[in-house]
Amino acid sequence: EIVLTQSPDFQSVAPKEKVTITCRASQRVGTALHWYQQKPDQSPKLLIRYASQSVPGVPSRFRGSGSGTDFTLIINSLEAEDAATYYCHQSSSLPLTFGGGTKVEIK
Amino acid sequence: EVQLVESGGGLVQPGRSLRLSCAASGFSFADHAMNWVRQLPGRRLEWIASISRNSASLGYADSVKGRFTISRDNAKNSLYLQMNDLRVEDTAFYFCTKLAQVGATRGDFDNWGRGTLVTVSS
Repeated sequence: EIVLTQSPDFQSVAPKEKVTITCRASQRVGTALHWYQQKPDQSPKLLIRYASQSVPGVPSRFRGSGSGTDFTLIINSLEAEDAATYYCHQSSSLPLTFGGGTKVEIK
Repeated sequence: EVQLVESGGGLVQPGRSLRLSCAASGFSFADHAMNWVRQLPGRRLEWIASISRNSASLGYADSVKGRFTISRDNAKNSLYLQMNDLRVEDTAFYFCTKLAQVGATRGDFDNWGRGTLVTVSS
């Protein structure tokens, strides 16, 4: 099973600041790594697909990068509506797995 | 607009069964693989089962293999999860998810339902 380790677990960031979340895979997944945002009492929403591909309707301040085992989600100029938990997910091989999540709080 | 609506959750005793349903609309259901993902207490997400568009390819997490069965009825635009021999640790929100790419068996989940809560307790 491919284990995805996210860091940090929690981040408190002021509006307009930059947020960086990392996801490390225990085995190479190529670019089959996706990012989701989950707000309280909502289901997860796809943010970035295949490491760096944008998703229609998602603000351009969300950027993804990486390949192999190391991936990064960057939120440029954080907005209040970005308060949420962010998860990475690999679809390279079964069982599909998710990272443990990073909770982003607005200062 | 894509809609995925889960139903069938509830409170059930350990060892009993439950069947979840997911009604899909707003897209060509028969063209997309589907999955069930659950969110455990503490917010951890766990993939539990996948089914290809023609039901030929199935996949299960080890934690549910032999107890849960995923199925679909393309004529009814519906996805199902039969859960047998339920355990306390199966307590979670269960989400129905749609695979983004037509014809793919793995990939990103571009749509999620709102989820249905399953509570296993005596």
